[in-house]
Amino acid sequence: TQLLEQSPQFLSIQEGENLTVYCNSSSVFSSLQWYRQEPGEGPVLLVTVVTGGEVKKLKRLTFQFGDARKDSSLHITAAQTGDTGLYLCAVITSGTYKYIFGTGTRLKVLA
Amino acid sequence: SQTIHQWPATLVQPVGSPLSLECTVEGTSNPNLYWYRQAAGRGLQLLFYSVGIGQISSEVPQNLSASRPQDRQFILSSKKLLLSDSGFYLCAWGGPGTVEKLFFGSGTQLSVL
Repeated sequence: TQLLEQSPQFLSIQEGENLTVYCNSSSVFSSLQWYRQEPGEGPVLLVTVVTGGEVKKLKRLTFQFGDARKDSSLHITAAQTGDTGLYLCAVITSGTYKYIFGTGTRLKVLA
Repeated sequence: SQTIHQWPATLVQPVGSPLSLECTVEGTSNPNLYWYRQAAGRGLQLLFYSVGIGQISSEVPQNLSASRPQDRQFILSSKKLLLSDSGFYLCAWGGPGTVEKLFFGSGTQLSVL
Protein backbone atom coordinates (compact mmCIF):
# COMPACT_ATOMS: atom_id res chain seq x y z
CA THR A 1 0.00 0.00 0.00
CA GLN A 2 1.46 3.35 -1.06
CA LEU A 3 1.34 5.79 1.82
CA LEU A 4 1.57 8.93 -0.33
CA GLU A 5 -0.03 9.18 -3.77
CA GLN A 6 0.94 12.08 -6.01
CA SER A 7 -0.98 13.30 -9.04
CA PRO A 8 -0.59 13.78 -11.83
CA GLN A 9 2.29 11.43 -12.47
CA PHE A 10 3.46 13.43 -15.49
CA LEU A 11 2.73 16.99 -16.56
CA SER A 12 3.93 18.84 -19.64
CA ILE A 13 2.96 22.49 -20.00
CA GLN A 14 3.96 25.64 -21.83
CA GLU A 15 5.97 28.36 -20.15
CA GLY A 16 3.65 30.90 -18.48
CA GLU A 17 0.91 28.43 -17.61
CA ASN A 18 -0.25 27.67 -14.07
CA LEU A 19 -0.36 24.20 -12.57
CA THR A 20 -1.22 22.33 -9.40
CA VAL A 21 0.12 19.00 -8.20
CA TYR A 22 -1.29 16.99 -5.34
CA CYS A 23 -0.07 14.71 -2.58
CA ASN A 24 -2.74 12.57 -0.93
CA SER A 25 -2.94 10.02 1.84
CA SER A 26 -5.49 8.42 4.13
CA SER A 27 -3.20 8.98 7.12
CA VAL A 28 -2.74 12.06 9.27
CA PHE A 29 0.72 13.57 9.53
CA SER A 30 2.35 16.04 11.88
CA SER A 31 4.11 17.71 8.94
CA LEU A 32 4.77 17.32 5.24
CA GLN A 33 7.66 18.32 3.05
CA TRP A 34 8.04 19.09 -0.65
CA TYR A 35 11.27 18.43 -2.53
CA ARG A 36 12.39 19.07 -6.11
CA GLN A 37 14.85 16.81 -7.86
CA GLU A 38 16.87 17.50 -11.00
CA PRO A 39 18.02 14.58 -13.19
CA GLY A 40 21.09 12.85 -11.78
CA GLU A 41 20.97 14.74 -8.49
CA GLY A 42 19.51 14.29 -5.04
CA PRO A 43 16.22 15.95 -4.03
CA VAL A 44 16.37 19.41 -2.47
CA LEU A 45 13.89 20.59 0.15
CA LEU A 46 11.51 23.33 -0.96
CA VAL A 47 9.28 23.71 2.10
CA THR A 48 7.90 22.04 5.21
CA VAL A 49 4.26 22.59 6.21
CA VAL A 50 3.20 21.84 9.74
CA THR A 51 -0.21 23.29 10.61
CA GLY A 52 -3.50 22.12 9.07
CA GLY A 53 -4.61 24.67 6.47
CA GLU A 54 -1.19 26.29 6.40
CA VAL A 55 -0.19 28.11 3.22
CA LYS A 56 3.43 28.89 2.41
CA LYS A 57 4.75 30.79 -0.56
CA LEU A 58 8.14 30.49 -2.17
CA LYS A 59 8.28 33.03 -5.01
CA ARG A 60 5.87 31.61 -7.65
CA LEU A 61 5.28 28.39 -5.69
CA THR A 62 2.39 28.14 -3.22
CA PHE A 63 2.17 25.16 -0.86
CA GLN A 64 -0.89 24.25 1.17
CA PHE A 65 -1.35 21.63 3.88
CA GLY A 66 -4.86 20.19 4.07
CA ASP A 67 -7.05 21.12 7.03
CA ALA A 68 -7.03 17.50 8.21
CA ARG A 69 -3.28 17.19 7.59
CA LYS A 70 -3.79 14.26 5.21
CA ASP A 71 -2.96 15.97 1.94
CA SER A 72 -1.11 18.85 0.35
CA SER A 73 -0.95 20.77 -2.87
CA LEU A 74 1.73 22.67 -4.74
CA HIS A 75 0.65 25.42 -7.11
CA ILE A 76 3.05 27.05 -9.55
CA THR A 77 2.09 30.36 -11.11
CA ALA A 78 3.47 31.33 -14.54
CA ALA A 79 5.71 28.28 -14.84
CA GLN A 80 9.22 28.73 -16.18
CA THR A 81 11.54 26.23 -17.84
CA GLY A 82 13.62 26.26 -14.67
CA ASP A 83 10.69 24.69 -12.81
CA THR A 84 11.22 21.46 -14.76
CA GLY A 85 11.97 18.54 -12.48
CA LEU A 86 10.55 15.80 -10.29
CA TYR A 87 8.43 17.05 -7.40
CA LEU A 88 8.23 14.80 -4.36
CA CYS A 89 6.25 15.05 -1.18
CA ALA A 90 7.48 13.33 1.97
CA VAL A 91 6.42 12.67 5.56
CA ILE A 92 7.92 11.24 8.71
CA THR A 93 5.98 8.23 9.93
CA SER A 94 4.69 8.68 13.44
CA GLY A 95 7.03 7.65 16.23
CA THR A 96 9.97 6.91 13.95
CA TYR A 97 12.71 8.66 12.01
CA LYS A 98 11.52 7.13 8.73
CA TYR A 99 10.97 9.57 5.87
CA ILE A 100 8.53 8.18 3.33
CA PHE A 101 8.32 9.74 -0.11
CA GLY A 102 5.43 10.04 -2.52
CA THR A 103 5.24 8.57 -5.99
CA GLY A 104 6.41 11.84 -7.59
CA THR A 105 5.17 14.25 -10.26
CA ARG A 106 7.45 14.77 -13.22
CA LEU A 107 6.98 18.29 -14.57
CA LYS A 108 8.29 19.50 -17.90
CA VAL A 109 7.90 23.16 -18.82
CA LEU A 110 8.33 23.90 -22.50
CA ALA A 111 9.70 27.19 -23.82
CA SER B 1 28.42 23.98 7.20
CA GLN B 2 27.30 20.41 6.72
CA THR B 3 28.14 18.44 3.60
CA ILE B 4 27.38 14.92 2.44
CA HIS B 5 29.61 12.94 0.13
CA GLN B 6 28.52 9.91 -1.83
CA TRP B 7 30.57 7.90 -4.27
CA PRO B 8 30.98 6.67 -6.90
CA ALA B 9 28.64 8.69 -9.13
CA THR B 10 28.29 5.89 -11.68
CA LEU B 11 28.89 2.19 -11.38
CA VAL B 12 28.50 -0.70 -13.83
CA GLN B 13 28.74 -4.13 -12.29
CA PRO B 14 28.18 -7.68 -13.56
CA VAL B 15 25.50 -9.88 -12.03
CA GLY B 16 26.87 -11.80 -9.07
CA SER B 17 29.59 -9.29 -8.22
CA PRO B 18 29.81 -7.57 -4.80
CA LEU B 19 28.83 -3.97 -4.11
CA SER B 20 30.00 -1.31 -1.69
CA LEU B 21 28.66 2.25 -1.77
CA GLU B 22 29.95 4.71 0.78
CA CYS B 23 28.43 7.85 2.19
CA THR B 24 30.03 10.29 4.64
CA VAL B 25 28.70 13.40 6.33
CA GLU B 26 30.77 16.34 7.55
CA GLY B 27 29.95 19.18 9.86
CA THR B 28 27.44 17.48 12.15
CA SER B 29 27.38 14.88 14.88
CA ASN B 30 25.08 11.92 15.46
CA PRO B 31 23.09 12.37 12.26
CA ASN B 32 20.30 10.04 11.22
CA LEU B 33 21.45 8.39 7.99
CA TYR B 34 19.41 6.92 5.17
CA TRP B 35 19.77 4.87 1.99
CA TYR B 36 17.10 5.20 -0.68
CA ARG B 37 16.73 3.63 -4.12
CA GLN B 38 14.92 5.32 -6.97
CA ALA B 39 13.60 3.84 -10.21
CA ALA B 40 13.86 6.16 -13.21
CA GLY B 41 11.67 9.22 -12.70
CA ARG B 42 9.81 7.80 -9.75
CA GLY B 43 9.62 8.22 -5.99
CA LEU B 44 12.18 7.11 -3.45
CA GLN B 45 12.07 3.71 -1.76
CA LEU B 46 13.57 3.67 1.73
CA LEU B 47 16.05 0.80 2.06
CA PHE B 48 17.81 1.37 5.40
CA TYR B 49 18.10 4.00 8.06
CA SER B 50 20.32 4.40 11.09
CA VAL B 51 19.99 6.54 14.22
CA GLY B 52 23.42 5.65 15.60
CA ILE B 53 26.61 3.63 15.19
CA GLY B 54 25.80 -0.02 14.62
CA GLN B 55 22.04 0.64 14.63
CA ILE B 56 20.47 -0.32 11.30
CA SER B 57 16.79 -0.55 10.45
CA SER B 58 15.96 -2.49 7.30
CA GLU B 59 12.82 -1.55 5.46
CA VAL B 60 12.77 -3.91 2.50
CA PRO B 61 13.92 -7.58 2.56
CA GLN B 62 16.34 -7.86 -0.32
CA ASN B 63 19.80 -8.60 -1.54
CA LEU B 64 21.35 -5.59 0.21
CA SER B 65 22.74 -4.78 3.64
CA ALA B 66 23.91 -1.61 5.38
CA SER B 67 26.46 -0.83 8.04
CA ARG B 68 27.42 2.22 10.07
CA PRO B 69 30.96 1.66 11.34
CA GLN B 70 31.45 5.33 12.33
CA ASP B 71 29.13 8.14 13.40
CA ARG B 72 29.17 9.88 10.02
CA GLN B 73 29.75 6.93 7.70
CA PHE B 74 27.05 4.78 6.12
CA ILE B 75 27.82 1.89 3.78
CA LEU B 76 25.50 -0.02 1.46
CA SER B 77 26.66 -3.48 0.46
CA SER B 78 25.76 -6.61 -1.42
CA LYS B 79 27.56 -9.93 -1.66
CA LYS B 80 26.05 -10.81 -5.05
CA LEU B 81 24.28 -8.27 -7.21
CA LEU B 82 21.08 -9.07 -9.10
CA LEU B 83 19.75 -7.41 -12.23
CA SER B 84 16.93 -5.98 -10.11
CA ASP B 85 19.46 -4.09 -7.96
CA SER B 86 19.97 -1.59 -10.78
CA GLY B 87 18.82 1.91 -9.92
CA PHE B 88 19.75 5.31 -8.54
CA TYR B 89 20.95 5.06 -4.95
CA LEU B 90 20.74 8.08 -2.69
CA CYS B 91 22.24 8.65 0.72
CA ALA B 92 20.73 11.27 3.00
CA TRP B 93 21.11 12.67 6.50
CA GLY B 94 18.73 14.40 8.86
CA GLY B 95 18.64 15.71 12.46
CA PRO B 96 19.54 16.53 15.08
CA GLY B 97 18.77 20.21 14.75
CA THR B 98 17.28 19.70 11.30
CA VAL B 99 13.88 18.38 12.22
CA GLU B 100 11.71 17.35 9.29
CA LYS B 101 14.33 17.90 6.67
CA LEU B 102 16.65 15.60 4.74
CA PHE B 103 19.84 16.52 2.94
CA PHE B 104 20.79 14.27 0.06
CA GLY B 105 24.01 13.23 -1.60
CA SER B 106 24.38 13.44 -5.36
CA GLY B 107 23.54 9.77 -5.86
CA THR B 108 25.06 6.69 -7.47
CA GLN B 109 23.65 5.33 -10.71
CA LEU B 110 24.13 1.56 -10.52
CA SER B 111 23.72 -0.60 -13.59
CA VAL B 112 23.89 -4.35 -13.12
CA LEU B 113 24.47 -6.17 -16.40
